[in-house]
Amino acid sequence: EAGVTQFPSHSVIEKGQTVTLRCDPISGHDNLYWYRRVMGKEIKFLLHFVKESKQDESGMPNNRFLAERTGGTYSTLKVQPAELEDSGVYFCASSKQGAKIFGNTEAFFGQGTRLTVV
Amino acid sequence: AQSVTQPDIHITVSEGASLELRCNYSYGATPYLFWYVQSPGQGLQLLLKYFSGDTLVQGIKGFEAEFKRSQSSFNLRKPSVHWSDAAEYFCAVGESGSARQLTFGSGTQLTVLP
Repeated sequence: EAGVTQFPSHSVIEKGQTVTLRCDPISGHDNLYWYRRVMGKEIKFLLHFVKESKQDESGMPNNRFLAERTGGTYSTLKVQPAELEDSGVYFCASSKQGAKIFGNTEAFFGQGTRLTVV
Repeated sequence: AQSVTQPDIHITVSEGASLELRCNYSYGATPYLFWYVQSPGQGLQLLLKYFSGDTLVQGIKGFEAEFKRSQSSFNLRKPSVHWSDAAEYFCAVGESGSARQLTFGSGTQLTVLP
């Protein structure tokens, strides 16, 4: 079974440019999460999809960030325009269907996308 | 609001020595507690989790953790460290009974000396 896959693994862009990160969850996983780790600090929640619907986007830092999950399969996270403080590692995770996501179901994480804004 | 503290940013141990990584949490209700590990170039891998029951939890790779409610702690231990254990370790707390996100600590980087 393939794990959670993220593309690209690294991205270096200039301030003001646009970057799109992609996450392919494990097949059949309805729940998809985006997290971010900035400057070696703690990993912080960004948002949660259940299939194609945004269940919780309370962690999105501002309107420069746009997440989509068309068709309930893969997800993209677009940063436009990118700022220096957006640099960090962006993680994606997925888990099976179920209300008690972290009660009975493990969340599987991808390897992350390291974003550097210069 | 829930929070997780990992007081040790970096720990160095010799191969074969015992290991304990500290984790303290702040949470009003019964927490779901997790330890994840990230090896270089890899994703976050779940080592173990605690939901209820026995407070000593066994995980993969020979790791264990003990939940101590009175101390709000969930420390990770391993009796004998291997060089392949060098990685970054994250403690996390989740809200029980709800499809909510995890709150992570800032991580502890483990270096293993030969």
